[in-house]
Amino acid sequence: DSGVTQTPKHLITATGQRVTLRCSPRSGDLSVYWYQQSLDQGLQFLIQYYNGEERAKGNILERFSAQQFPDLHSELNLSSLELGDSALYFCASSVDQSGANVLTFGAGSRLTVL
Amino acid sequence: AQSVTQLGSHVSVSEGALVLLRCNYSSSVPPYLFWYVQYPNQGLQLLLKYTTGATLVKGINGFEAEFKKSETSFHLTKPSAHMSDAAEYFCAAGSSNYQLIWGAGTKLIIKP
Repeated sequence: DSGVTQTPKHLITATGQRVTLRCSPRSGDLSVYWYQQSLDQGLQFLIQYYNGEERAKGNILERFSAQQFPDLHSELNLSSLELGDSALYFCASSVDQSGANVLTFGAGSRLTVL
Repeated sequence: AQSVTQLGSHVSVSEGALVLLRCNYSSSVPPYLFWYVQYPNQGLQLLLKYTTGATLVKGINGFEAEFKKSETSFHLTKPSAHMSDAAEYFCAAGSSNYQLIWGAGTKLIIKP
């Protein structure tokens, strides 16, 4: 157990639907990162939050949004889902916002869009 | 722009053979370098991290990596491969000034 908790582990939904993925960071970590991993695109950085504020954006689609709450958990919202959104979504956390820090990853949420 | 390049999307070695996974970074990348490993159906976990200091870094499970500034490389090695080493390995570079930059990953296949 890495200390980063992601729910749900698996999610199957239909095109056009909306889903929310949840992440609880490791105790003491203030930064949360979201990554998407798919067979064709590999590991893609989506977005980072630090202590409730957005800090960096990667290849995140406009249909996707995220936030970090006061208790530091984070949610990734995916809307108007397309077949191509099927992927593993990872959350990671670190102590602060520096790129020099080690990231602790959760086990991932596997999204299947039918 | 900073970049991290992993040579070979797939590397296949026999059990007991030397493992060598290659990673090169762009010269403007500051000195924090990482190797992460992803076992099947799991999240990524840290294998080892280089900061300033000793150029040979030892990690978990018998892996080590050598930082060579002249070659802008941070190759990962293990003297003797084990079946349990089959996984995907990611090289990454980070800095206090910017986010982690990831390589594309190398899948390590171990032949019995």
